[in-house]
Amino acid sequence: QVQLQASGPGLVKPSETLSLTCTVSGGSISSYYWSWIRQPPGKGLEWIGYIYFSGSTKYNPSLKSRVTISVDTSKNQFSLKLSSVTAADTAMYYCARDGVPGAPGWFDPWGQGTLVTVSS
Amino acid sequence: SSELTQDPAVSVALGQTVRITCQGDSLRSYYASWYQQKPRQAPVLVIYGQNKRPSGIPDRFSGSSSGNTASLTITGAQAEDEADYYCNSRDSSGNHFFGGGTKLTVL
Repeated sequence: QVQLQASGPGLVKPSETLSLTCTVSGGSISSYYWSWIRQPPGKGLEWIGYIYFSGSTKYNPSLKSRVTISVDTSKNQFSLKLSSVTAADTAMYYCARDGVPGAPGWFDPWGQGTLVTVSS
Repeated sequence: SSELTQDPAVSVALGQTVRITCQGDSLRSYYASWYQQKPRQAPVLVIYGQNKRPSGIPDRFSGSSSGNTASLTITGAQAEDEADYYCNSRDSSGNHFFGGGTKLTVL
């Protein structure tokens, strides 16, 4: 069964760029959409954006100016970059498969999440 | 509109039935999906599409929709169902968005 594992630095300085990678195992990244979702401590879920295996993307309008999601099909990975971070970007970051082949829809499965803290 | 409204907290007696609701204009056009999140764990999909359950989700979980309201019903709530529940939908541009979440307490 498909499993996802998010990885990256746990501490990022204010104004710098947060970079995370999600590695997909047990299945191919092809044919699906893949999303990033975050959750600030003690708060709710926020969708960040998704990427199709072909490279097309869609981002949350509230984050669009700072977000880049990319895919590396040769490594079965997709990545998130969030620029100009502030303390408000401190959150657990999750990666998840989105929908069914060729169509985004729902998130399943999810990775275990990685906590990113923005602090100097 | 890309807003989904959930009650912040709901409680249910052990073995009883509880309905968790999610309201938003997008639900008139698109199905909601529902996620269960227990403390210090990643969310888990429990309902998607037109009342579909992923493999491994007990059949006491069901979903329904009417107008601008989607509902997650747990029939015969168990202690292990105590968790936060989030609805999710999309808008006409394809953006996803979540409700604020409902904390379910099983008494």
